[in-house]
Amino acid sequence: AQSVTQPDIHITVSEGASLELRCNYSYGATPYLFWYVQSPGQGLQLLLKYFSGDTLVQGIKGFEAEFKRSQSSFNLRKPSVHWSDAAEYFCAVHDYKLSFGAGTTVTVRA
Amino acid sequence: NAGVTQTPKFQVLKTGQSMTLQCAQDMNHEYMSWYRQDPGMGLRLIHYSVGAGITDQGEVPNGYNVSRSTTEDFPLRLLSAAPSQTSVYFCASSAGTGAGNTIYFGEGSWLTVV
Repeated sequence: AQSVTQPDIHITVSEGASLELRCNYSYGATPYLFWYVQSPGQGLQLLLKYFSGDTLVQGIKGFEAEFKRSQSSFNLRKPSVHWSDAAEYFCAVHDYKLSFGAGTTVTVRA
Repeated sequence: NAGVTQTPKFQVLKTGQSMTLQCAQDMNHEYMSWYRQDPGMGLRLIHYSVGAGITDQGEVPNGYNVSRSTTEDFPLRLLSAAPSQTSVYFCASSAGTGAGNTIYFGEGSWLTVV
């Protein structure tokens, strides 16, 4: 069965600094991978997705993610975070359903 | 432009009570699902449906029932609420089950069982 691991439970970053969130997957075939963001008290919003092709995927809000098959990773990055990026981020892999990682909470300090 | 609508947004139940979380989508999506979100565990699939009249169990189905009498609606029933069912519940829908289909989430229902 497919699974996703997000090693970091909580990350604190200064506003304007870069951000990288880690995601490792376990899946036998070519994975379909997603990153979602959840602001406090809100539902989930899709940031970006990877199906095939270019391993560097651009998403909304200035986020990008890189698929590395050799490392079974799909890390999310943003060059310069804004205070509004404080949220919980979920990596997910899709088979017949979405399987989510446990999430990483991002705190942005001024 | 409603998308996926969940009601109620907040609910407090006593142990043993039953209730139904409502979910409706106006996008004519075939695939609908219910997830629960708990701290440190991400979202876990409770039940899903690939079309009207068809439902199946996800990872954590115990204590929950679903039905899909119409394409639009996919209610989740708690038969006898337990404190372990205190959680945030999300309904989701997509046009199909393939990974290429964007999944749309409702805004969540916060349930507390005391």
